[in-house]
Formats: sequence, C-alpha cells, structure tokens
Amino acid sequence: DAKTTQPPSMDCAEGRAANLPCNHSTISGNEYVYWYRQIHSQGPQYIIHGLKNNETNEMASLIITEDRKSSTLILPHATLRDTAVYYCIVRASYGQNFVFGPGTRLSVLP
Amino acid sequence: GAGVSQSPSNKVTEKGKDVELRCDPISGHTALYWYRQSLGQGLEFLIYFQGNSAPDKSGLPSDRFSAERTGGSVSTLTIQRTQQEDSAVYLCASSPQYQETQYFGPGTRLLVL
Repeated sequence: DAKTTQPPSMDCAEGRAANLPCNHSTISGNEYVYWYRQIHSQGPQYIIHGLKNNETNEMASLIITEDRKSSTLILPHATLRDTAVYYCIVRASYGQNFVFGPGTRLSVLP
Repeated sequence: GAGVSQSPSNKVTEKGKDVELRCDPISGHTALYWYRQSLGQGLEFLIYFQGNSAPDKSGLPSDRFSAERTGGSVSTLTIQRTQQEDSAVYLCASSPQYQETQYFGPGTRLLVL
C-alpha cells in the first residue's frame, strides 16, 4: 500500500506557482520522499527527492516539514506542459520498492 | 544520453497467444524494474532485476508471466496464453544501483482481444 496521501486533482493558472501537497505521517527516519510525474501516454518522469532538507533543481523545489510528516512539491512557474499526474512516494534507501499511489492530477489552465 | 527504450511501443494480440516485451535499460544501470499500468490506474510493481538475478518474483500476477535479463542489460517480459485482463501499459525502468532513482521508458501498450 502507498504510504502517502495526495489530493486527487488540482488546477493551476499558467505562469503561477503550483504547490502540490503530500501527507506521509507514518514516514520512517530512513525513508526518502520522491516525486515523479506522468504526462499522458508517457512513462513516469523523475522530478526530485529528499530526506530532511529542502531540495531544489531545475524542475522543481521540494519542501519537507520539520517533522517530515508532509511535503510540498513546488513548480515555480507552471506551464501547460506541466499538466500531468504527480506521484509522491516514500521509500527507504534500501529494501523497498517504489509504490505508486493514485497521485494528483494537475491541470494547468491557460 | 539515451534513455530507457522499450519495444514494441504497441502490441495487439489475440487471447491465448504469447507475447514478449523488450526493455533496453540505460547503459551501465545494474537494476531494472517492470511495472504494469492498467487504464486509469496507478503503477503495479511486477519484478526487479539486480544484474541478471530477480530476487523477488512475488509481484508477477500469475505463472503465465515470466521475465529474464541477460548480460546485465536487455530484459524480456513474457506473457503466455494472454488474457484480456492482461491489457495494460507495461513500463520498464532502470537505476544505477538497486533502489536508486528510477528512470522510466515510454512503455509498451498491450491490447489483448
């Protein structure tokens, strides 16, 4: 079973920041938070991952709360091409496979 | 560099026929994973390889499903005596080492008539 809870869908205006929340209240100390996205008819695409500290790369920022029970993926300037299903996954560094839940369907609107 | 590739991209077959799906991982990646995604559903983990070995086959849906990997590279997922419920997108991913970040291929869309 997925260890995360995400809203089933969200809308965001083009050019605005998209903030996608994820709850992972049962996360263990050695479990990372991963984000992937799946654009229609394509394979999942890795976005970012983190353990404790906030992370940023060319695609997005990941904000993890101090208690690590929730996180937010931020797409700073959403474009129409960011419309996709976004998956939040928690996984230990060793010994577990990725478990994809239903994710959040983000629609970026013009 | 080249990403994960899968072939064929689409496959239509008749119920009862066998099918083979191929995955070419990113060069140098030791771990390879197979997933299945039914229409409108999330990803279902099937099996992973570390090198040529598959330590855990419990995710395979039935004994009609098998997978192998040769030379630490190409992997083949075989479905024997296909059933209509096998219709799905079959996704392959690879990672440099087991449990590191996975990079996915475009998938093979299988339709069993």
